[in-house]
Amino acid sequence: GQNIDQPTEMTATEGAIVQINCTYQTSGFNGLFWYQQHAGEAPTFLSYNVLDGLEEKGRFSSFLSRSKGYSYLLLKELQMKDSASYLCAVVDSNYQLIWGAGTKLIIKP
Amino acid sequence: IAGITQAPTSQILAAGRRMTLRCTQDMRHNAMYWYRQDLGLGLRLIHYSNTAGTTGKGEVPDGYSVSRANTDDFPLTLASAVPSQTSVYFCASRGTENTEAFFGQGTRLTVV
Repeated sequence: GQNIDQPTEMTATEGAIVQINCTYQTSGFNGLFWYQQHAGEAPTFLSYNVLDGLEEKGRFSSFLSRSKGYSYLLLKELQMKDSASYLCAVVDSNYQLIWGAGTKLIIKP
Repeated sequence: IAGITQAPTSQILAAGRRMTLRCTQDMRHNAMYWYRQDLGLGLRLIHYSNTAGTTGKGEVPDGYSVSRANTDDFPLTLASAVPSQTSVYFCASRGTENTEAFFGQGTRLTVV
Protein backbone atom coordinates (compact mmCIF):
# COMPACT_ATOMS: atom_id res chain seq x y z
CA GLY A 1 0.00 0.00 0.00
CA GLN A 2 0.87 3.64 -0.19
CA ASN A 3 1.51 5.57 2.98
CA ILE A 4 2.56 9.06 3.96
CA ASP A 5 3.28 9.92 7.60
CA GLN A 6 3.36 13.34 9.18
CA PRO A 7 3.03 14.38 12.82
CA THR A 8 -0.55 15.29 13.66
CA GLU A 9 0.23 18.49 15.52
CA MET A 10 3.20 20.65 16.45
CA THR A 11 3.59 23.75 18.58
CA ALA A 12 6.24 26.44 18.17
CA THR A 13 6.99 29.95 19.37
CA GLU A 14 6.76 33.12 17.32
CA GLY A 15 10.19 34.02 15.89
CA ALA A 16 11.54 30.48 16.24
CA ILE A 17 12.27 27.74 13.67
CA VAL A 18 10.20 24.59 13.18
CA GLN A 19 10.78 21.48 11.08
CA ILE A 20 7.83 19.39 9.88
CA ASN A 21 8.77 15.90 8.75
CA CYS A 22 7.15 13.70 6.13
CA THR A 23 8.03 10.08 5.42
CA TYR A 24 6.55 8.17 2.53
CA GLN A 25 6.22 4.70 1.08
CA THR A 26 4.66 4.87 -2.37
CA SER A 27 4.57 2.94 -5.62
CA GLY A 28 7.15 5.01 -7.43
CA PHE A 29 8.17 8.59 -6.90
CA ASN A 30 7.84 11.53 -9.26
CA GLY A 31 8.10 14.44 -6.87
CA LEU A 32 6.89 15.75 -3.53
CA PHE A 33 4.77 18.79 -2.78
CA TRP A 34 4.19 20.81 0.38
CA TYR A 35 0.97 22.77 0.78
CA GLN A 36 -0.27 25.19 3.43
CA GLN A 37 -3.89 25.19 4.50
CA HIS A 38 -5.36 27.78 6.84
CA ALA A 39 -8.49 26.78 8.74
CA GLY A 40 -11.58 27.00 6.56
CA GLU A 41 -9.58 27.64 3.41
CA ALA A 42 -8.24 25.67 0.46
CA PRO A 43 -4.69 24.27 0.36
CA THR A 44 -2.15 26.51 -1.37
CA PHE A 45 1.14 25.43 -2.94
CA LEU A 46 4.37 26.02 -1.02
CA SER A 47 7.14 23.96 -2.60
CA TYR A 48 8.06 21.11 -4.91
CA ASN A 49 11.04 18.73 -4.68
CA VAL A 50 11.94 16.07 -7.21
CA LEU A 51 15.71 15.83 -6.70
CA ASP A 52 17.57 15.29 -3.44
CA GLY A 53 18.54 18.40 -1.55
CA LEU A 54 17.22 21.63 -0.20
CA GLU A 55 14.93 24.08 -1.96
CA GLU A 56 14.78 27.51 -0.34
CA LYS A 57 12.01 30.03 -0.82
CA GLY A 58 12.15 32.95 1.55
CA ARG A 59 11.38 31.86 5.11
CA PHE A 60 10.38 28.39 3.92
CA SER A 61 12.71 25.59 2.82
CA SER A 62 11.96 22.03 1.81
CA PHE A 63 14.37 19.09 1.83
CA LEU A 64 14.15 15.73 0.09
CA SER A 65 16.01 12.44 0.47
CA ARG A 66 14.63 9.93 -2.02
CA SER A 67 16.77 7.06 -0.72
CA LYS A 68 15.27 7.53 2.75
CA GLY A 69 11.73 8.31 1.62
CA TYR A 70 11.92 11.47 3.66
CA SER A 71 11.20 15.16 3.36
CA TYR A 72 10.92 18.07 5.72
CA LEU A 73 9.54 21.58 5.57
CA LEU A 74 11.54 24.15 7.52
CA LEU A 75 9.87 27.37 8.57
CA LYS A 76 12.09 30.16 9.92
CA GLU A 77 11.26 33.36 11.79
CA LEU A 78 7.82 32.06 12.59
CA GLN A 79 4.93 34.48 12.44
CA MET A 80 1.44 34.10 13.88
CA LYS A 81 0.06 33.88 10.35
CA ASP A 82 2.04 30.65 9.88
CA SER A 83 -0.48 28.90 12.13
CA ALA A 84 -2.02 26.46 9.66
CA SER A 85 -1.97 22.85 8.55
CA TYR A 86 0.89 21.71 6.33
CA LEU A 87 0.21 18.92 3.86
CA CYS A 88 2.77 16.65 2.25
CA ALA A 89 1.87 15.02 -1.08
CA VAL A 90 3.83 12.56 -3.21
CA VAL A 91 3.44 12.02 -6.96
CA ASP A 92 3.40 8.26 -7.49
CA SER A 93 4.34 6.13 -10.51
CA ASN A 94 0.96 6.86 -12.13
CA TYR A 95 1.49 10.59 -11.55
CA GLN A 96 -1.32 10.64 -9.02
CA LEU A 97 -1.02 12.75 -5.86
CA ILE A 98 -0.92 10.79 -2.61
CA TRP A 99 -1.66 13.01 0.38
CA GLY A 100 -0.60 12.87 3.99
CA ALA A 101 -3.17 13.74 6.66
CA GLY A 102 -1.42 17.03 7.39
CA THR A 103 0.36 18.59 10.35
CA LYS A 104 -1.44 21.27 12.34
CA LEU A 105 1.09 23.90 13.39
CA ILE A 106 0.21 26.09 16.36
CA ILE A 107 2.26 29.25 16.88
CA LYS A 108 2.36 30.76 20.35
CA PRO A 109 3.43 34.33 21.14
CA ILE B 1 -13.37 33.42 -13.69
CA ALA B 2 -9.83 33.36 -12.41
CA GLY B 3 -8.41 29.95 -11.61
CA ILE B 4 -10.78 27.31 -10.30
CA THR B 5 -14.25 27.96 -8.93
CA GLN B 6 -16.66 25.77 -6.99
CA ALA B 7 -20.35 26.21 -6.35
CA PRO B 8 -22.08 26.31 -3.99
CA THR B 9 -19.74 27.32 -1.17
CA SER B 10 -21.99 25.67 1.38
CA GLN B 11 -25.16 23.61 1.38
CA ILE B 12 -27.45 21.85 3.81
CA LEU B 13 -29.08 18.87 2.13
CA ALA B 14 -31.77 16.47 3.24
CA ALA B 15 -30.78 12.82 3.20
CA GLY B 16 -31.94 11.03 0.08
CA ARG B 17 -31.77 14.14 -2.11
CA ARG B 18 -29.67 14.39 -5.25
CA MET B 19 -27.02 17.10 -5.38
CA THR B 20 -24.44 18.27 -7.93
CA LEU B 21 -21.37 20.19 -6.87
CA ARG B 22 -19.98 22.32 -9.67
CA CYS B 23 -16.34 22.92 -10.51
CA THR B 24 -14.99 25.09 -13.34
CA GLN B 25 -11.45 26.04 -14.22
CA ASP B 26 -10.14 28.45 -16.84
CA MET B 27 -6.49 27.38 -16.81
CA ARG B 28 -6.93 24.73 -19.53
CA HIS B 29 -5.64 22.07 -17.16
CA ASN B 30 -6.01 18.50 -18.33
CA ALA B 31 -6.27 16.81 -14.94
CA MET B 32 -9.06 17.51 -12.44
CA TYR B 33 -9.84 15.96 -9.07
CA TRP B 34 -12.52 15.80 -6.42
CA TYR B 35 -11.47 15.35 -2.80
CA ARG B 36 -13.30 15.22 0.47
CA GLN B 37 -11.63 16.43 3.62
CA ASP B 38 -12.72 15.24 7.04
CA LEU B 39 -11.11 16.13 10.35
CA GLY B 40 -8.07 13.96 11.01
CA LEU B 41 -8.27 12.13 7.69
CA GLY B 42 -6.72 14.60 5.31
CA LEU B 43 -7.66 14.81 1.65
CA ARG B 44 -9.23 11.66 0.19
CA LEU B 45 -9.63 11.31 -3.55
CA ILE B 46 -13.18 10.60 -4.73
CA HIS B 47 -12.84 10.70 -8.52
CA TYR B 48 -10.41 12.11 -11.00
CA SER B 49 -10.11 12.90 -14.69
CA ASN B 50 -6.80 12.95 -16.52
CA THR B 51 -8.29 14.55 -19.62
CA ALA B 52 -11.67 15.54 -21.07
CA GLY B 53 -13.78 12.49 -21.81
CA THR B 54 -12.12 10.22 -19.24
CA THR B 55 -12.73 9.66 -15.54
CA GLY B 56 -11.41 7.32 -12.86
CA LYS B 57 -12.27 6.19 -9.35
CA GLY B 58 -10.25 7.33 -6.39
CA GLU B 59 -10.02 6.07 -2.84
CA VAL B 60 -13.65 6.74 -1.79
CA PRO B 61 -15.87 6.72 -4.92
CA ASP B 62 -19.00 5.01 -3.57
CA GLY B 63 -22.10 7.20 -3.66
CA TYR B 64 -20.52 9.71 -6.04
CA SER B 65 -20.34 10.09 -9.80
CA VAL B 66 -18.55 12.53 -12.11
CA SER B 67 -18.48 13.53 -15.75
CA ARG B 68 -15.94 15.40 -17.87
CA ALA B 69 -17.67 16.58 -21.02
CA ASN B 70 -15.10 19.32 -21.66
CA THR B 71 -11.79 20.60 -20.32
CA ASP B 72 -13.21 23.28 -18.05
CA ASP B 73 -15.99 21.56 -16.08
CA PHE B 74 -15.93 18.63 -13.68
CA PRO B 75 -19.20 18.26 -11.74
CA LEU B 76 -19.59 15.84 -8.83
CA THR B 77 -23.00 14.27 -8.22
CA LEU B 78 -24.35 12.65 -5.08
CA ALA B 79 -27.21 10.50 -6.33
CA SER B 80 -28.87 9.99 -2.94
CA ALA B 81 -27.12 11.84 -0.13
CA VAL B 82 -26.41 10.17 3.21
CA PRO B 83 -25.21 11.79 6.47
CA SER B 84 -21.76 10.18 6.11
CA GLN B 85 -21.25 12.39 3.06
CA THR B 86 -21.18 15.43 5.30
CA SER B 87 -17.76 16.88 4.58
CA VAL B 88 -15.81 19.66 2.92
CA TYR B 89 -15.35 18.98 -0.78
CA PHE B 90 -12.46 20.38 -2.78
CA CYS B 91 -12.06 20.40 -6.52
CA ALA B 92 -8.53 20.71 -7.89
CA SER B 93 -6.82 20.86 -11.26
CA ARG B 94 -3.30 20.26 -12.50
CA GLY B 95 -1.71 21.26 -15.79
CA THR B 96 1.02 18.68 -16.26
CA GLU B 97 2.18 15.64 -14.38
CA ASN B 98 4.88 17.44 -12.43
CA THR B 99 3.15 20.73 -11.67
CA GLU B 100 1.24 21.71 -8.59
CA ALA B 101 -2.47 21.27 -8.13
CA PHE B 102 -4.67 24.34 -7.76
CA PHE B 103 -7.68 24.10 -5.48
CA GLY B 104 -11.12 25.64 -5.53
CA GLN B 105 -12.37 27.35 -2.39
CA GLY B 106 -14.28 24.29 -1.25
CA THR B 107 -17.91 23.32 -0.68
CA ARG B 108 -19.05 22.66 2.86
CA LEU B 109 -21.84 20.08 2.62
CA THR B 110 -24.03 19.01 5.51
CA VAL B 111 -26.42 16.10 4.98
CA VAL B 112 -29.17 15.92 7.57
